[in-house]
Amino acid sequence: GAVVSQHPSWVICKSGTSVKIECRSLDFQATTMFWYRQFPKQSLMLMATSNEGSKATYEQGVEKDKFLINHASLTLSTLTVTSAHPEDSSFYICSATGGLGETQYFGPGTRLLVL
Amino acid sequence: KQEVTQIPAALSVPEGENLVLNCSFTDSAIYNLQWFRQDPGKGLTSLLLIQSSQREQTSGRLNASLDKSSGRSTLYIAASQPGDSATYLCAVNNGGGNKLTFGTGTQLKVEL
Repeated sequence: GAVVSQHPSWVICKSGTSVKIECRSLDFQATTMFWYRQFPKQSLMLMATSNEGSKATYEQGVEKDKFLINHASLTLSTLTVTSAHPEDSSFYICSATGGLGETQYFGPGTRLLVL
Repeated sequence: KQEVTQIPAALSVPEGENLVLNCSFTDSAIYNLQWFRQDPGKGLTSLLLIQSSQREQTSGRLNASLDKSSGRSTLYIAASQPGDSATYLCAVNNGGGNKLTFGTGTQLKVEL
């Protein structure tokens, strides 16, 4: 099946720094990528939808200036957590799909810990 | 707003047992429904995708059914194995930009 990778798999940073997470579709072209956040013992919450070459669409309550998303190519999307704070510590997961109604393939996730 | 609920929240069964996981959703105007598996600290693995026009999908020991009118889906796991232990998530696609709404998950433990 299709493979989606994320890098890094985990990161620890100091409060106030920015962290960039990459999401890549390795063997297919992803017209749309999604970014989710998952807190412990909770389900996935969609943060934003990213279409190649256009601005991301953010879900209600997600600060677009804090979570910068770039989808510059059909195989790469990046999420930058700017000025990270301890409450941003979470498990961030991306997914990618080749088209409407098609299966979403998920990356392995990135665990962020902000000290 | 679509809401997805999964029952039970946790389940522990002996190896070899057949089991059913339930998923319910409030808005029946769905495009498709997907079942995922998540191992601790890991991403999601897609198990089965059911389009709105379909009633069920099967893959190996897994069978997923969909009753769109009643807002329900079930995931049937036959002859459970310890390796099936994981959290199972169902997710509904309402078609708006292919966004998924996830359920609360069922944490399954299959014991020897």
